[in-house]
Amino acid sequence: NAGVMQNPRHLVRRRGQEARLRCSPMKGHSHVYWYRQLPEEGLKFMVYLQKENIIDESGMPKERFSAEFPKEGPSILRIQQVVRGDSAAYFCASSPPSAGLAYEQYFGPGTRLTVT
Amino acid sequence: GNSVTQMEGPVTLSEEAFLTINCTYTATGYPSLFWYVQYPGEGLQLLLKATKADDKGSNKGFEATYRKETTSFHLEKGSVQVSDSAVYFCALSGVAGGTSYGKLTFGQGTILTVHP
Repeated sequence: NAGVMQNPRHLVRRRGQEARLRCSPMKGHSHVYWYRQLPEEGLKFMVYLQKENIIDESGMPKERFSAEFPKEGPSILRIQQVVRGDSAAYFCASSPPSAGLAYEQYFGPGTRLTVT
Repeated sequence: GNSVTQMEGPVTLSEEAFLTINCTYTATGYPSLFWYVQYPGEGLQLLLKATKADDKGSNKGFEATYRKETTSFHLEKGSVQVSDSAVYFCALSGVAGGTSYGKLTFGQGTILTVHP
């Protein structure tokens, strides 16, 4: 059973460009979460999605950031008009439909975004 | 809101030494508690978990006990190895029905270095 897949692993963008980060959850998992890890900091929650629904986006910046998890295909985190402060590692995690109280999440290897 | 506080690092130990990494939390109700480990350049791996008071999570020689009275979930290992060198994150997830349900709140991480 393959784990959570993220691509690309490394992404370099110039200021003002768009960044698209992809996440394929583990087989059978229908919940996807995105987290951001800034240099020298812990992980911060960004958004929680189920298929075709955004459940909680309380951690998403108000502008330039969006996320989707379509019926078919991977979840996408999109950052428009990137700025240097967006440089970070972005991690995706997934959990099964009935996670229960433990709410165990499985993480992908991350996408390291560098904005030049 | 929920928060997690870890002891400040980094922590440097000799092989076979005893390890304690302190973690305390603030949350309403009875959250689930986790320790994750991150090796250089990789994503997070779940190390252990506990879902209710007095539960003890254990894995690979690591242990942590859910202490409701002290709101703590300290990580311990009796004899560390060089291969344990990594960043350790304490985290909690909110209870079902709460506003933080579904997302993990992380501590800032503790860097552990074990020397031969």
